[in-house]
Amino acid sequence: DQQVKQNSPSLSVQEGRISILNCDYTNSMFDYFLWYKKYPAEGPTFLISISSIKDKNEDGRFTVFLNKSAKHLSLHIVPSQPGDSAVYFCAACASGGSYIPTFGRGTSLIVHP
Amino acid sequence: KAGVTQTPRYLIKTRGQQVTLSCSPISGHRSVSWYQQTPGQGLQFLFEYFSETQRNKGNFPGRFSGRQFSNSRSEMNVSTLELGDSALYLCASSRSGQLNTEAFFGQGTRLTVV
Repeated sequence: DQQVKQNSPSLSVQEGRISILNCDYTNSMFDYFLWYKKYPAEGPTFLISISSIKDKNEDGRFTVFLNKSAKHLSLHIVPSQPGDSAVYFCAACASGGSYIPTFGRGTSLIVHP
Repeated sequence: KAGVTQTPRYLIKTRGQQVTLSCSPISGHRSVSWYQQTPGQGLQFLFEYFSETQRNKGNFPGRFSGRQFSNSRSEMNVSTLELGDSALYLCASSRSGQLNTEAFFGQGTRLTVV
């Protein structure tokens, strides 16, 4: 049973345009969410996070939106750059639990020049 | 400062053998977590160690085990290897493993079972 779902295995975007990566979760206990980026042959690196007390968090070109009622979050990258091409993992934690993040299966983003 | 170091980077083993992977966390980090990544499966949590104690465990068979030493370095062991154990094994360290504490990943060990 997948508690964190990234339903789009891949996404292709033109350089300069917006990339929107989506993530859905089923466990209502999740209250902290993270996005990681992974390049081939490297480990994932932390990108941005959001607590359930917020509905938006912004860091430069990256913005994460959280819709708690829909159990949905999205990562927006504006403008997209070729260097953003990577696999993006959504992860969720429950502060009342073990804090161990549950990861989605990832979305491979390709940004074309 | 040095990042998370995993050794070896690549490993080929035969079915039925056992394997030990090593992870050296960032200095000062006491929490070490292990993940298995297979194609299309995302990162699946194996276990987490904090101060030499296994604090959390994922849903993997007993063939997968681990330990943490007093210097926070961690090892994971897989016994009686199966073809399905072929994967990228990732280690992540953080100061406390608590919420809002960023985890830093190593480059992983690519295990191939033939």
